[in-house]
Amino acid sequence: DQQVKQNSPSLSVQEGRISILNCDYTNSMFDYFLWYKKYPAEGPTFLISISSIKDKNEDGRFTVFLNKSAKHLSLHIVPSQPGDSAVYFCAASARGGSEKLVFGKGTKLTVNP
Amino acid sequence: NAGVTQTPKFRVLKTGQSMTLLCAQDMNHEYMYWYRQDPGMGLRLIHYSVGEGTTAKGEVPDGYNVSRLKKQNFLLGLESAAPSQTSVYFCASSRAGSEGYEQYFGPGTRLTVT
Repeated sequence: DQQVKQNSPSLSVQEGRISILNCDYTNSMFDYFLWYKKYPAEGPTFLISISSIKDKNEDGRFTVFLNKSAKHLSLHIVPSQPGDSAVYFCAASARGGSEKLVFGKGTKLTVNP
Repeated sequence: NAGVTQTPKFRVLKTGQSMTLLCAQDMNHEYMYWYRQDPGMGLRLIHYSVGEGTTAKGEVPDGYNVSRLKKQNFLLGLESAAPSQTSVYFCASSRAGSEGYEQYFGPGTRLTVT
């Protein structure tokens, strides 16, 4: 049973436009959400996170939105740059199990020049 | 400050052979993790440790053993490798806390079992 779902395996956008990556979760105990970015042949790197007490968190070009009632979060990248081309993983942790993260399967973003 | 390092970077094993993957972190993190990444499967947790001398099973622990004898090191062992264990293995570490603090990942070990 997949608790964190990224239903789009891939996404392609033009440089300068907005990239929107989506993530759905099923476990209502999740209270902290993170996005990781992964380039080929490298380990994932932390990008941005959001606590369940917030509905938005911004860091430069990256914004994460959380809709708890829909159990949905999204990552917005504006403007998209070719260097943003990577696989993006959504992850979540639950109250009382915060030492563990549950990852989605990832979305491969390609930003075309 | 090297962060999280993994040894080796690549390895090819024959079915039935054993090996140990070494993970080291220099951030004084309490928690350490081993994941495997397979095409289309995301990152799946194998085992993890919340402190020196402690280990726990993750989502896919079968066929693997781990040890955390020192706070900075976390070892992943394969006693009898199988082709199904062909994968990329990532180690990660994080500090202890009441929230889902971000995990810092190593560069990965690509293992092929023939």
